[in-house]
Amino acid sequence: QKEVEQDPGPLSVPEGAIVSLNCTYSNSAFQYFMWYRQYSRKGPELLMYTYSSGNKEDGRFTAQVDKSSKYISLFIRDSQPSDSATYLCAIKSGYNKLIFGAGTRLAVHP
Amino acid sequence: GAVVSQHPSRVICKSGTSVKIECRSLDFQATTMFWYRQFPKQSLMLMATSNEGSKATYEQGVEKDKFLINHASLTLSTLTVTSAHPEDSSFYICSARVSQGNQPQHFGDGTRLSIL
Repeated sequence: QKEVEQDPGPLSVPEGAIVSLNCTYSNSAFQYFMWYRQYSRKGPELLMYTYSSGNKEDGRFTAQVDKSSKYISLFIRDSQPSDSATYLCAIKSGYNKLIFGAGTRLAVHP
Repeated sequence: GAVVSQHPSRVICKSGTSVKIECRSLDFQATTMFWYRQFPKQSLMLMATSNEGSKATYEQGVEKDKFLINHASLTLSTLTVTSAHPEDSSFYICSARVSQGNQPQHFGDGTRLSIL
């Protein structure tokens, strides 16, 4: 079993839709969770950073962590074509390294 | 804040050439920087952890003599791909994190390396 599982998609939605992206992880000791957005031929851009169960909101983005289920989510409201990218969940291991999910490719069409 | 600059963004060179890639934290100090490699449509693979003033720590399977890392200051780490061959062609990305506390990693925009 991989330490972090993420459906690679692709996920295609119409403009304005609510997008739900998810990851599961195996180690209950993990405490720090991140979501990155990566456009083609660019480096990952940090979107959200959380360390506790519950929700964290930033504009159209909401990150959700459920430590009891070892499940993290990213919700995008009112999705735009400019949101089309690959979304990577990442979890910080005990050695300050990041464990990445496979990344979900999202396409938002007008 | 937390901007990481990577240079160059694109390199095309002949087989046997050594290529140096720079990673700079522009507005913060980073005692630790990371070097990743990414193949098309795949996630990031950690190659090594670069520590300021000491030797880098390489992941299993990464040749340290092939991928030389120098982290001479709190804002600069370099990766040198020595005697590059076509199989070294890839997208190389660096990241850095603020030295204090449990801060996230911030990434550069990557270097696309093509060896002919």
